[in-house]
Amino acid sequence: QQQVKQSPQSLIVQKGGISIINCAYENTAFDYFPWYQQFPGKGPALLIAIRPDVSEKKEGRFTISFNKSAKQFSLHIMDSQPGDSATYFCAAVIIQGAQKLVFGQGTRLTINP
Amino acid sequence: KAGVTQTPRYLIKTRGQQVTLSCSPISGHRSVSWYQQTPGQGLQFLFEYFSETQRNKGNFPGRFSGRQFSNSRSEMNVSTLELGDSALYLCASSLAGVQPQHFGDGTRLSIL
Repeated sequence: QQQVKQSPQSLIVQKGGISIINCAYENTAFDYFPWYQQFPGKGPALLIAIRPDVSEKKEGRFTISFNKSAKQFSLHIMDSQPGDSATYFCAAVIIQGAQKLVFGQGTRLTINP
Repeated sequence: KAGVTQTPRYLIKTRGQQVTLSCSPISGHRSVSWYQQTPGQGLQFLFEYFSETQRNKGNFPGRFSGRQFSNSRSEMNVSTLELGDSALYLCASSLAGVQPQHFGDGTRLSIL
């Protein structure tokens, strides 16, 4: 079964700190790895995505680090702000004609002011 | 550019009834996927449609079905509702299935 394991389940970080969320996958056939941010009452919003042939991708304060040999990837949020408080989901995507996302269980991030 | 629109936002049904949820993708997007989100199981893939054809299906019973119209709008139907079907149902669209998916805000379905 295709699985993506995400940790931690919840995370509390002080304002200005670095938030780090980790994911591990089993299937090597995934084509890319997106991260989504979800606020209460809203659908997941695409934050950033990375292909498996890239080791790091940065967009503003958000960075994905990807370790293909270890089958792990992580999201780093630099200078974390209270507005970043949300649930974050990592995902792994298989593209075989159709596109199918396998999601991690989510991390509830709280940034304390 | 308008995002993915899902209607209705909230629904309350009783066991045994059926329900139809609607999704309008981002203009130009031809791939539409549906997901179920619950606190216990997280986000689970239901099915994906492209050009009115179902291309992929998750591990859900046959009570869950869908369709896509020629304008790429999609509907999802759940028959013989069970208490366990209470969830947030999310629709996502993408260009041609190889670009990242963009989600709507979902339909919150509550079964009494």
